[in-house]
Amino acid sequence: NAGVTQTPKFQVLKTGQSMTLQCAQDMNHNSMYWYRQDPGMGLRLIYYSASEGTTDKGEVPNGYNVSRLNKREFSLRLESAAPSQTSVYFCASLGGYNQPQHFGDGTRLSIL
Amino acid sequence: SQQGEEDPQALSIQEGENATMNCSYKTSINNLQWYRQNSGRGLVHLILIRSNEREKHSGRLRVTLDTSKKSSSLLITASRAADTASYFCATDAGYGGSQGNLIFGKGTKLSVKP
Repeated sequence: NAGVTQTPKFQVLKTGQSMTLQCAQDMNHNSMYWYRQDPGMGLRLIYYSASEGTTDKGEVPNGYNVSRLNKREFSLRLESAAPSQTSVYFCASLGGYNQPQHFGDGTRLSIL
Repeated sequence: SQQGEEDPQALSIQEGENATMNCSYKTSINNLQWYRQNSGRGLVHLILIRSNEREKHSGRLRVTLDTSKKSSSLLITASRAADTASYFCATDAGYGGSQGNLIFGKGTKLSVKP
């Protein structure tokens, strides 16, 4: 019963470094999502993948890229990290219409 | 931009009291969902209410939806210290032309004192 698994849980980067956040789900869900959460804010959608082989921009995509590696895995890449990308990143998956999303426990990313 | 706005931003009550949180949104929706987030953790789904539904119950939780007013409320009855968390409403309004994409509000921080 792993659900949605995110790695790593914590990471500190220097400005300009690159990094990939990993997400995997074991529920055979078609859709997957990446969000960021900043203090006092709700979650904002970065990118999503409605199905294997497709990805689309969300509300705040600048500075990020994604890869839907297969049905299980959806990764988020920061090519050149900036302090404004310091945040908590959540991955989620969705099984179908009018169903709830299932969330991982997040990756806490600090960029110095 | 945030679709949903929760009210109040923070709520402090005693154990055993009821807690009511409200959510307003701007556009027509497919469904509205409520999630709980404990400190340092991910979001946990509480209730999903479809646009053609007016009220749903789950244990001590009651959610109402008024599509004419574009608003929803979450009632937690007989609150417990363990209910201390942030509560978020999220709307599925077909963002980006894709059903299932959620837009979240900023949340209500609930503190239940023993």
